[in-house]
Amino acid sequence: SQQGEEDPQALSIQEGENATMNCSYKTSINNLQWYRQNSGRGLVHLILIRSNEREKHSGRLRVTLDTSKKSSSLLITASRAADTASYFCATEDTGGFKTIFGAGTRLFVKA
Amino acid sequence: GAVVSQHPSWVICKSGTSVKIECRSLDFQATTMFWYRQFPKQSLMLMATSNEGSKATYEQGVEKDKFLINHASLTLSTLTVTSAHPEDSSFYICSAGDTETSGRPTRQYFGPGTRLTVT
Repeated sequence: SQQGEEDPQALSIQEGENATMNCSYKTSINNLQWYRQNSGRGLVHLILIRSNEREKHSGRLRVTLDTSKKSSSLLITASRAADTASYFCATEDTGGFKTIFGAGTRLFVKA
Repeated sequence: GAVVSQHPSWVICKSGTSVKIECRSLDFQATTMFWYRQFPKQSLMLMATSNEGSKATYEQGVEKDKFLINHASLTLSTLTVTSAHPEDSSFYICSAGDTETSGRPTRQYFGPGTRLTVT
């Protein structure tokens, strides 16, 4: 089962622009994580934000979490061609470890 | 940081045969591991929760007799795709959760995935 939706499904931007991806989920969570996946490869963990946190930064990444709206956003600033990948949010429910993935956003950054 | 490995990284098998995929937590013990399947251009779908010393818990729609899961130790879970067919061709990813010394769970760590092609 999938937790929820991500939008947009696909995003194409120019290098240097910012990219914003949104994620919605359905249940109560312990934390929400964002992952990157290059085509045909494994997952790369980007950032984890706990349910009691509202915003987190890591380099060019900024993640927000709104538990009242059950939504999160990932902002990549000053994007680079190397950021081209699929990005997934994943939520860990309050029952334990179970981690459910969103549908993903395919980002294409044009050089 | 915690590392999870999978073996093999890719496998090609003939229709009707069985394939075993291993998932190992290399530097921590995991009482619970998870198996996911990912079809091309789709997201990861949770297949089952692998519990050390007990039966796996399968998600709705996943055939437990087709996807056999054995969590034999605190560092190893195996997924066996029995009587594989071309529609089972997919990217299979496992994950394992670490815990702090207090017992509080930390996040999941994902293996690099196994690409299965059934001809």
